[in-house]
Amino acid sequence: KNEVEQSPQNLTAQEGEFITINCSYSVGISALHWLQQHPGGGIVSLFMLSSGKKKHGRLIATINIQEKHSSLHITASHPRDSAVYICAVSRFNTDKLIFGTGTRLQVFP
Amino acid sequence: GAVVSQHPSWVICKSGTSVKIECRSLDFQATTMFWYRQFPKQSLMLMATSNEGSKATYEQGVEKDKFLINHASLTLSTLTVTSAHPEDSSFYICSVDRGGNRGTQYFGPGTRLLVL
Repeated sequence: KNEVEQSPQNLTAQEGEFITINCSYSVGISALHWLQQHPGGGIVSLFMLSSGKKKHGRLIATINIQEKHSSLHITASHPRDSAVYICAVSRFNTDKLIFGTGTRLQVFP
Repeated sequence: GAVVSQHPSWVICKSGTSVKIECRSLDFQATTMFWYRQFPKQSLMLMATSNEGSKATYEQGVEKDKFLINHASLTLSTLTVTSAHPEDSSFYICSVDRGGNRGTQYFGPGTRLLVL
């Protein structure tokens, strides 16, 4: 079983829809990251969370440490949001990241 | 955020040749850089941790003699794929650890390697 699991693996949406991507992990962590990888391959760090909730524009990330679960929400989705969204965790006392397998999102106009 | 560059962005080479990939931290000094490999439709896999001024730390299953890492300065780490084979064809990504804010990593744009 992977230490970091994401769902769904693939997601399609119509422009304007509210989107949720889930991440569950099974190890102790110091932080959880949400990353965005565009078709060209470049990766952008969206959020780093250790508790609670963060918001940036139309993106919201939440984490529940007790349940070892995080969600990434996209409000008013747009075709330019189409990308692979990756959840990754940092374990205690290490800078290494453990990655989920990613969620491939396609938003159609 | 930090700016990280990689060079080249893509490379095609013949089997048996060696390929060097550079990762540069453009706006801060990075004592730690990470090298990842990503196969199509798979997630990133950490290959090694590059430490400035000392030997790299390789993940289990990654051959250190095959993937040579040199972190000679605080702004540059290189990954050399020696005697490349078609199965080494992959997307190689580096990231830098800014430190301070533990776990924050900034990723390079990646290098796509195709070995014929």
